[in-house]
Amino acid sequence: GAGVSQSPSNKVTEKGKDVELRCDPISGHTALYWYRQSLGQGLEFLIYFQGNSAPDKSGLPSDRFSAERTGGSVSTLTIQRTQQEDSAVYLCASSLDPDNTQYFGPGTRLTVL
Amino acid sequence: AQKVTQAQTEISVVEKEDVTLDCVYETRDTTYYLFWYKQPPSGELVFLIRRNSFDEQNEISGRYSWNFQKSTSSFNFTITASQVVDSAVYFCALRNSGYALNFGKGTSLLVTP
Repeated sequence: GAGVSQSPSNKVTEKGKDVELRCDPISGHTALYWYRQSLGQGLEFLIYFQGNSAPDKSGLPSDRFSAERTGGSVSTLTIQRTQQEDSAVYLCASSLDPDNTQYFGPGTRLTVL
Repeated sequence: AQKVTQAQTEISVVEKEDVTLDCVYETRDTTYYLFWYKQPPSGELVFLIRRNSFDEQNEISGRYSWNFQKSTSSFNFTITASQVVDSAVYFCALRNSGYALNFGKGTSLLVTP
């Protein structure tokens, strides 16, 4: 079946602009996660959704970062007023339920100029 | 606090050699889960294995095997008769009472012909 999909695959933006990153989880998966992968920090957890609510937002680095999930499916990660340190690969994962294995999408590479 | 250490940053082997990737973890929880993921040059994280803290039985899957030892807090991964296609970055991860994965820094494996 179809895996986790993310769009766009690449995004180049100018400092100070807002960006939206999209994630489509595996059909039927109730849990959805966002991670960030950068050279300096490795793989970092950002936020976790169960259904449409986010019980754990502890990894969001600042209030410029927000995420939502609608219909228990698609999720959007929004970064406002982007900074150069936001440049990274943003990975989305989903799992059947929170106790199950997380499967990852191909990621969105964000470059802030 | 939880922590995953992959002390080997880079490993280079010649095809058909066996190679072991080390993973040491720290957690105060008695219930936790350990994972290995593979990240090939294409960038997508591929799930390899999941173990829970109550199951110390070692596992073999084809050329891959995993050795879980609670006494040394280690979850090592061995590839037997390595192949060029095994070249990738391998991540060990820990999940305890929360749902976020806590990743190690990864080990980059290069298998040359």
